[in-house]
Amino acid sequence: GQQVMQIPQYQHVQEGEDFTTYCNSSTTLSNIQWYKQRPGGHPVFLIQLVKSGEVKKQKRLTFQFGEAKKNSSLHITATQTTDVGTYFCAGPNFGNEKLTFGTGTRLTIIP
Amino acid sequence: NAGVTQTPKFQVLKTGQSMTLQCAQDMNHEYMSWYRQDPGMGLRLIHYSVGAGITDQGEVPNGYNVSRSTTEDFPLRLLSAAPSQTSVYFCASTGAGSYEQYFGPGTRLTVT
Repeated sequence: GQQVMQIPQYQHVQEGEDFTTYCNSSTTLSNIQWYKQRPGGHPVFLIQLVKSGEVKKQKRLTFQFGEAKKNSSLHITATQTTDVGTYFCAGPNFGNEKLTFGTGTRLTIIP
Repeated sequence: NAGVTQTPKFQVLKTGQSMTLQCAQDMNHEYMSWYRQDPGMGLRLIHYSVGAGITDQGEVPNGYNVSRSTTEDFPLRLLSAAPSQTSVYFCASTGAGSYEQYFGPGTRLTVT
């Protein structure tokens, strides 16, 4: 079945440093979504990317979708304590809209 | 709108007991799903429904049943709880024409 892996599993950064998480799917995706889960909370939708090579920005967050639509990345510039949490990518297969979530990257910030 | 609500928030069961986790949404969303979240394994899809009267299996359906008699409600039944079902359970819903999933607050289940 489809597998979606994320690296790294954990990332500890000093406040103000940049952070990147990478998402790789074993199959081609029709779209990729990113979610953020604060400690003790539930996943919250951040963004969806649909087009090959698409890049979207939300303030300090930059999201990219690979040309082959099998990988994606999330980059945070100048991290803040509010960025703490686990970031998940998720994607459905073509022709099968069941969503498969990545394993997540847990970000902690050292003040 | 309350969004997606789940009850209970916490539950402790003994092995072999049965119970139902409740999920309701007031956004008139057609698509609803159940996930379990275990440390280091992300969210895994248990069952999902594309509308009232229609359900299908996800990645890890064994030991769980669902039904969808109304658009609003999507309960998850554990038939005979096992320690391997200790997890955090999230219900989510998605509106027609959208991919964004709205998650409930979760139910933390412990099976002893």
